[in-house]
Amino acid sequence: LAKTTQPISMDSYEGQEVNITCSHNNIATNDYITWYQQFPSQGPRFIIQGYKTKVTNEVASLFIPADRKSSTLSLPRVSLSDTAVYYCLVGGTAGNMLTFGGGTRLMVKP
Amino acid sequence: EAGVTQFPSHSVIEKGQTVTLRCDPISGHDNLYWYRRVMGKEIKFLLHFVKESKQDESGMPNNRFLAERTGGTYSTLKVQPAELEDSGVYFCASSQASGVVYGYTFGSGTRLTVV
Repeated sequence: LAKTTQPISMDSYEGQEVNITCSHNNIATNDYITWYQQFPSQGPRFIIQGYKTKVTNEVASLFIPADRKSSTLSLPRVSLSDTAVYYCLVGGTAGNMLTFGGGTRLMVKP
Repeated sequence: EAGVTQFPSHSVIEKGQTVTLRCDPISGHDNLYWYRRVMGKEIKFLLHFVKESKQDESGMPNNRFLAERTGGTYSTLKVQPAELEDSGVYFCASSQASGVVYGYTFGSGTRLTVV
């Protein structure tokens, strides 16, 4: 599975937009890009997935450039409750395991 | 819809003892996965069930770990005998279909401490 690289940590303030970029240079043609969110003492939670261009749901937006070698998770107007670790993963319909990297620890401050 | 349930939420045992973790997946999810995070490390895949069959157990660290899924419903993960390096958080996840493209639902995990 394609290896991903993301910043170890990020700080933000309430009400700001947060963008977390993930690099996945070796992404395969059939791979999708999926982001998970993990709060302390909880398991990872699926938040968004995309293949190319832009995807938006009620939680976040995902921007994927044409070459698909990176992706950006965008969280609009973050609140304190968005403090969590965010994981970027790539994979397709084949295979079964999620390969987690270190994730990005987002700290939202008042 | 009930989520993925794991218990116990915490377990503290002595080295050499046996511990059994349980996972109840979302009803109707044929695919069940075990993952774990040991201290300071990344979340790692352990194994994958499709119904009651082990589809992939390539991530199981050694033969002290035994996973079962009776009747294709709940699953147990037994560690016997437990060692200090087994301490960590064990997560279970389930999905309707296998393949990373499908969203996995994780439980809250079992924090295992071996002393």
